[in-house]
Amino acid sequence: IAGITQAPTSQILAAGRRMTLRCTQDMRHNAMYWYRQDLGLGLRLIHYSNTAGTTGKGEVPDGYSVSRANTDDFPLTLASAVPSQTSVYFCASSDGENTEAFFGQGTRLTVV
Amino acid sequence: LAKTTQPISMDSYEGQEVNITCSHNNIATNDYITWYQQFPSQGPRFIIQGYKTKVTNEVASLFIPADRKSSTLSLPRVSLSDTAVYYCLVGDGTGGFKTIFGAGTRLFVKA
Repeated sequence: IAGITQAPTSQILAAGRRMTLRCTQDMRHNAMYWYRQDLGLGLRLIHYSNTAGTTGKGEVPDGYSVSRANTDDFPLTLASAVPSQTSVYFCASSDGENTEAFFGQGTRLTVV
Repeated sequence: LAKTTQPISMDSYEGQEVNITCSHNNIATNDYITWYQQFPSQGPRFIIQGYKTKVTNEVASLFIPADRKSSTLSLPRVSLSDTAVYYCLVGDGTGGFKTIFGAGTRLFVKA
């Protein structure tokens, strides 16, 4: 059982470039989330999706966009990367409100 | 949104019981309290969830007083491998699916 799969594992990206972080889950969960975690800090919610076809903004949505065309995939796009977007990005999914969330292993992104 | 407050860090020794308390004064009626554990270079992992009173599973207990304005995660007989960051979360007060993490508590278990 794969659970949550994120790709790539790590990436070094030039500032100004466009980048899509991929996230796929095989648990048929309705809800999916993207977080960023900066060194020594907790996770901050970027965007979320309650169900396929819907998305919402989290705490720190600026500079990021998401789509939820189907239940399994929830890609995160940086349209024009900036150094402040250097972070570890975690994707997660859950079966709904007040249920356990399952996290991927993260994508370490460095914008130079 | 219900905000949580936890100690930044705690130290313990192997074999001791560790209690981490979280304050959530603005918890909503329909909010649950959930705790996650995170090791370095890994995503968070669910530990336990509760609504009121006491919940126990194979790894921890969660104590929630009647007013639900705080909760305490109890880890019995910790080992070195329990060194991690522990996050306390409460559900989005609007009833949506958003999950807000705080800064967490960094637990150091010493030999």
